[in-house]
Amino acid sequence: EVQLVESGGALVQPGGSLRLSCAAPGITFTGHWVHWVRQSPGKGLVWVSGITPDGSATFYADAVKGRFTISRDNAKNTVYLRMNSLRAEDTAIYYCATLPWGLGDYWGQGTLVTVSS
Amino acid sequence: DLVMTQSPLSLTLTLGQPASISCRSSQRLVYSDGNTYLNWFHQRPGQSPRRLIFQVSNRDSGVPDRFSGSGSGTDFTLNISGIEAEDVGIYYCMQDTLWPKTFGQGTKVEIK
Repeated sequence: EVQLVESGGALVQPGGSLRLSCAAPGITFTGHWVHWVRQSPGKGLVWVSGITPDGSATFYADAVKGRFTISRDNAKNTVYLRMNSLRAEDTAIYYCATLPWGLGDYWGQGTLVTVSS
Repeated sequence: DLVMTQSPLSLTLTLGQPASISCRSSQRLVYSDGNTYLNWFHQRPGQSPRRLIFQVSNRDSGVPDRFSGSGSGTDFTLNISGIEAEDVGIYYCMQDTLWPKTFGQGTKVEIK
């Protein structure tokens, strides 16, 4: 079963920064959009950001625009989410996923980001 | 942003009972290519979400045929023909016709 692998989650103080990584050991990432979806404790799913297969275009939810940056290194088969100016409301499990329009939807196990002093 | 509204928010069923979850969007979900990009996901407790249905009615690989999706325009439905123990969890609809992608608030399914 194909699975993505997230890493980089941690406890960070408000105003701090973090970089999440999403690796794809079972698939070639170059053919896929990749997205980040988050889930605050006990809450529902919220789309955060997405990037095209070649990295030429990026998309963000209003709540993170200007603070988060998505990027990818296809040579390393890895997608990143740089998170700056973190707030308490950014506390969540962050999942990466492919979310295609057709077949081939893959998700990771998630990585926990906690923003607290 | 486009708002997705699910109902009911919770369901308690007996094994074998059918289930139906509704998802309504605040705008029509037909894209310029004529397709409707409405998905259904299932999240078991403590696990990552898993997509069940894409483009309204297409089952993902490995999804049992007791799951079916239907609908058009702004009204969509996920049906489970006979609930099994492994079907507990939360079900979400998600549209990706328009940016940003948006999820419904989730429907929690439990077994009596």
